[in-house]
Amino acid sequence: GAGVSQSPRYKVAKRGQDVALRCDPISGHVSLFWYQQALGQGPEFLTYFQNEAQLDKSGLPSDRFFAERPEGSVSTLKIQRTQQEDSAVYLCASSLKDRGVTGELFFGEGSRLTVL
Amino acid sequence: AQSVTQPDIHITVSEGASLELRCNYSYGATPYLFWYVQSPGQGLQLLLKYFSGDTLVQGIKGFEAEFKRSQSSFNLRKPSVHWSDAAEYFCAVEDYGQNFVFGPGTRLSVLP
Repeated sequence: GAGVSQSPRYKVAKRGQDVALRCDPISGHVSLFWYQQALGQGPEFLTYFQNEAQLDKSGLPSDRFFAERPEGSVSTLKIQRTQQEDSAVYLCASSLKDRGVTGELFFGEGSRLTVL
Repeated sequence: AQSVTQPDIHITVSEGASLELRCNYSYGATPYLFWYVQSPGQGLQLLLKYFSGDTLVQGIKGFEAEFKRSQSSFNLRKPSVHWSDAAEYFCAVEDYGQNFVFGPGTRLSVLP
């Protein structure tokens, strides 16, 4: 597609449920990032993929968070046993270049997760 | 660790007035600097970026930003604000080999 596509746009989950958020980056983009944006805050880094390799997951807040990009294109962020503090907008971004090569990030519109 | 501060949480200006949004960063070397804009319910859109060279950079929608090494600042400016500029603005730093670090954002409101 022309831009980064994320689905679902909105997700309401009951506490304890598992959720999966999908990101379809711009075709050919090497780098893929996931960010978490709490209400009224800037995006906070979660994890980074270079093609299919997850090179950095230092931002994942707990072992309930898991991300994958098995074929180096579409990525899924999975949150197990959701808790209220997981409520946020999850942003996916992709870049044509490797991380650290001053590539511009292209963002999707985000997936807003609300945990009740 | 590097950090980005945006001292103004919320700014209100009248349409047609000039605008300056402040951004300061903490980093030992010269980072790569960016300004992004986020409209409600939308993703972030790049306004402009600074990598090297001329310290005054031009971006889209009539925005510009000036890198001042001595002040560790990268303030965003626009000479005449339009109502459609109302949005959230984020300053970001990219350290070579590391991640983008975003500031907390400044919300801009525009009065008619």
